[in-house]
Amino acid sequence: EIVMTQSPATLSVSPGERVTLSCRASQSVNSNLAWYQQKPGQAPRLLIYGVFTRATGIPDRFSGSGSGTEFALTISSLQSEDFAIYYCQQYNNWPPYSFGQGTKLEIK
Amino acid sequence: QVQLQESGPGLVKPSGTLSLTCAVSGGPISSGFWWSWVRQPPGKGLEWIGEAYHSGGTNYNPSLKSRVTVSVDKSKNQFSLELSSVTAADTAVYYCARNKGRIFDYWGQGAPVTVSS
Repeated sequence: EIVMTQSPATLSVSPGERVTLSCRASQSVNSNLAWYQQKPGQAPRLLIYGVFTRATGIPDRFSGSGSGTEFALTISSLQSEDFAIYYCQQYNNWPPYSFGQGTKLEIK
Repeated sequence: QVQLQESGPGLVKPSGTLSLTCAVSGGPISSGFWWSWVRQPPGKGLEWIGEAYHSGGTNYNPSLKSRVTVSVDKSKNQFSLELSSVTAADTAVYYCARNKGRIFDYWGQGAPVTVSS
């Protein structure tokens, strides 16, 4: 099973700041990497897939980068609605699909 | 617009079987996608449980494989999860989701399930 590790666990940032979240895979997942956003009491929402491609309706302040085992999600200018938990997911080797443990973005 | 809605008991006794159903609307369940279950224990991250295809194919998380069955009912446009021999560790919010190219693009709102006597 591929283990996904996200860092940091929590990030305190101010609205308007640029932030980068990291995700590392225990072995190469090629470009088969997705990011999800989850707000309290809600289901996860697909943000990005294939490392770079934004899902329908996702604003362009969200961008993905990386390859192989190291990936990042960057939010260029944090809006109030972006404070949430973010998960990465690999879909290169399955079963199982595996998720990172999440990074919580909180307001500084 | 595809919508998914979970339903089932919110309380299951230890050693019993957890059974949930996910109703799919906005398109036929036999439209070429796989259909998954994902769970989230309280305050924790996401764990993929298993998936099924309308023609009968299935894949399961090896950590749960001996206890899990996911199946599709085309006549009702829904799919189901059964998890046997449950313990308190199976307490979680259970989500159903659509797989599109192995990513989860539509999710249900989630069904909280508690395992307790």
